[in-house]
Amino acid sequence: RKEVEQDPGPFNVPEGATVAFNCTYSNSASQSFFWYRQDCRKEPKLLMSVYSSGNEDGRFTAQLNRASQYISLLIRDSKLSDSATYLCVVNRGTGRRALTFGSGTRLQVQP
Amino acid sequence: GAGVSQSPSNKVTEKGKDVELRCDPISGHTALYWYRQSLGQGLEFLIYFQGNSAPDKSGLPSDRFSAERTGGSVSTLTIQRTQQEDSAVYLCASSTTTGRLNYGYTFGSGTRLTVV
Repeated sequence: RKEVEQDPGPFNVPEGATVAFNCTYSNSASQSFFWYRQDCRKEPKLLMSVYSSGNEDGRFTAQLNRASQYISLLIRDSKLSDSATYLCVVNRGTGRRALTFGSGTRLQVQP
Repeated sequence: GAGVSQSPSNKVTEKGKDVELRCDPISGHTALYWYRQSLGQGLEFLIYFQGNSAPDKSGLPSDRFSAERTGGSVSTLTIQRTQQEDSAVYLCASSTTTGRLNYGYTFGSGTRLTVV
C-alpha cells in the first residue's frame, strides 16, 4: 500500500464549479499535512498547510480527519488558472521530517 | 538568493558517466531535501539533511547515489555510472523546521537529467 494515495483524475470541471479531492495516508504517526500544487513541467509549490481544525484560504478549504486518515481539499468557484496537479503531502512519521508526496490529482478547469 | 537555486537546469549524459547536481538553498533554511520525479510520476524522496545531524539517506535507490552538504548550505547530489533509469527531474527543496513540524518546502526549479 502506498503511503499516500490519491485519485489521479483527471477531474474536468467547468469554470465556477466546486470540486473536492480526497487523499488517504497510511502512517498514523504522521503529524504534518499539506497540499501542494504543481503546474506542468514546473516544481511543486506549497498551496496550504492542513490543520486538525480545518483551515480556509480564500476559495480553498482543507480538512484533516485523523481517525480515518484522510485529507481533503475543496476548491470553490473554480478558475481556469486552477488547472494543475494537486499533491497531497504528509510527513514520514515520528522523527522523520522528510515529506512523502502523493502522485497527485489532475484538475482541468474548462471555459 | 531569494529562492532555491539548482544547477544545471538540464543535463544530458552518456550511460556510465558520473554527474553532479548542485543545490543552493534559501539562506537560513536548516533543512535540505532531494527528490526525483520521473515523467508522469510522483515525487520520490532521496535524502534529507538537517543542520549538523547525520543525513537521512533512506531514500537513495542504490549505492551509485550519494549526496553531501558542505557548511550547512550548498548540497551536491552525485550519481555514479549513470543508467537510463536515472533519467528524471531532480528537485531540491529547503525548509525551516521548528520542533516536530515542517513548515512546508520551497523547491528549486529542478535539474532535468537525461541519460542516453
